[in-house]
Amino acid sequence: AQKITQTQPGMFVQEKEAVTLDCTYDTSDQSYGLFWYKQPSSGEMIFLIYQGSYDEQNATEGRYSLNFQKARKSANLVISASQLGDSAMYFCAMREGRHTGGFKTIFGAGTRLFVKA
Amino acid sequence: DGGITQSPKYLFRKEGQNVTLSCEQNLNHDAMYWYRQDPGQGLRLIYYSQIVNDFQKGDIAEGYSVSREKKESFPLTVTSAQKNPTAFYLCASTRTGRVGYTFGSGTRLTVV
Repeated sequence: AQKITQTQPGMFVQEKEAVTLDCTYDTSDQSYGLFWYKQPSSGEMIFLIYQGSYDEQNATEGRYSLNFQKARKSANLVISASQLGDSAMYFCAMREGRHTGGFKTIFGAGTRLFVKA
Repeated sequence: DGGITQSPKYLFRKEGQNVTLSCEQNLNHDAMYWYRQDPGQGLRLIYYSQIVNDFQKGDIAEGYSVSREKKESFPLTVTSAQKNPTAFYLCASTRTGRVGYTFGSGTRLTVV
């Protein structure tokens, strides 16, 4: 069965430094997608970055990058140059199927990131 | 601007009552989803729908019901059969492709 594991309940980072949020996954599928979402205190979930299982290069979106290690089944999120506004919950998620909508996505338990001034 | 509207933002329900949470999107997305989030936990899938007049149970569908009569709308009813309905409910939609969900701002349901 699919499973997402985030082992860091909380993380602290100094403003302007980089931070890595860990995510490991388990699936028997060869085709899948990996996502990271940010949830500020307001509650709304914000899509950050996507990595397809067949993508050879790590995904990047601005200050976000996804360190994808397929053999180790890990999909860590790296945030560079942390800002105070990055303080939030971060969820790793996985969806079966490539380039498909409508397949269900499962989420990890989340990591709460605190950025210190 | 396109997006997903969930209403109400806060909802209080007496035990034994059914309540319906609204979710409307103007993004022309085909697929819509309902997730439940409990404090300190991730999201769990309740129901999802890929096309109008069709929907599938997620991992925790018991005590919930949905309908998809229009592409834009995917209301969720929390029935009296749901034993522990107090939670934060998030509606989402997506289109086909290499994209993530677009989420609504959520409804916080409290049983009093």
